[in-house]
Amino acid sequence: QKEVEQNSGPLSVPEGAIASLNCTYSDRGSQSFFWYRQYSGKSPELIMSIYSNGDKEDGRFTAQLNKASQYVSLLIRDSQPSDSATYLCAVNTNTGNQFYFGTGTSLTVIP
Amino acid sequence: GAGVSQSPRYKVTKRGQDVALRCDPISGHVSLYWYRQALGQGPEFLTYFNYEAQQDKSGLPNDRFSAERPEGSISTLTIQRTEQRDSAMYRCASSELRGAPGGTQYFGPGTRLLVL
Repeated sequence: QKEVEQNSGPLSVPEGAIASLNCTYSDRGSQSFFWYRQYSGKSPELIMSIYSNGDKEDGRFTAQLNKASQYVSLLIRDSQPSDSATYLCAVNTNTGNQFYFGTGTSLTVIP
Repeated sequence: GAGVSQSPRYKVTKRGQDVALRCDPISGHVSLYWYRQALGQGPEFLTYFNYEAQQDKSGLPNDRFSAERPEGSISTLTIQRTEQRDSAMYRCASSELRGAPGGTQYFGPGTRLLVL
């Protein structure tokens, strides 16, 4: 079982819609969770970090964490074509300072 | 510097040759990470440093891979006797928090390695 699992997609949503991206992780002791955005041919860039159960909102982005169910999600409201990218979920494990990344979900926002 | 820099940006080498990939982290950042990213995959952890000390090298694929950060700043990832399966994007990231969980990582542009 992989440490971090994501649906690879592709996920397509119309402009203005809500895009929902999901991620599950295997290490129950994980403490820190991140969403990165990666445009084609570019480096990952951090969008959101979340450390405690519940929701965390930043502009059009909301991260949701449920440690009991071991999942973390990212909602993008009012999706824009510029949001089209691969979204990577990353988890900082409890056993060290390794960061495990999922394979990423490819999102396309259709104008 | 303003961001994480890596050099070279592209490296083409012949099988069996050694290569050295360089990472210059954001000034003052304590932690430095090396990842390998295959096309269509997420970054795969290789190793990381706090200051000059290598904290975890469990992600290095085999003993042909090594890394150092002798002065706690610039790091070099060395691959000896390269093989075609080593071809990938190698990414470096740095973080200002000393190994603490939750440190935000800033990624460099990567080095694209192609082994012929």
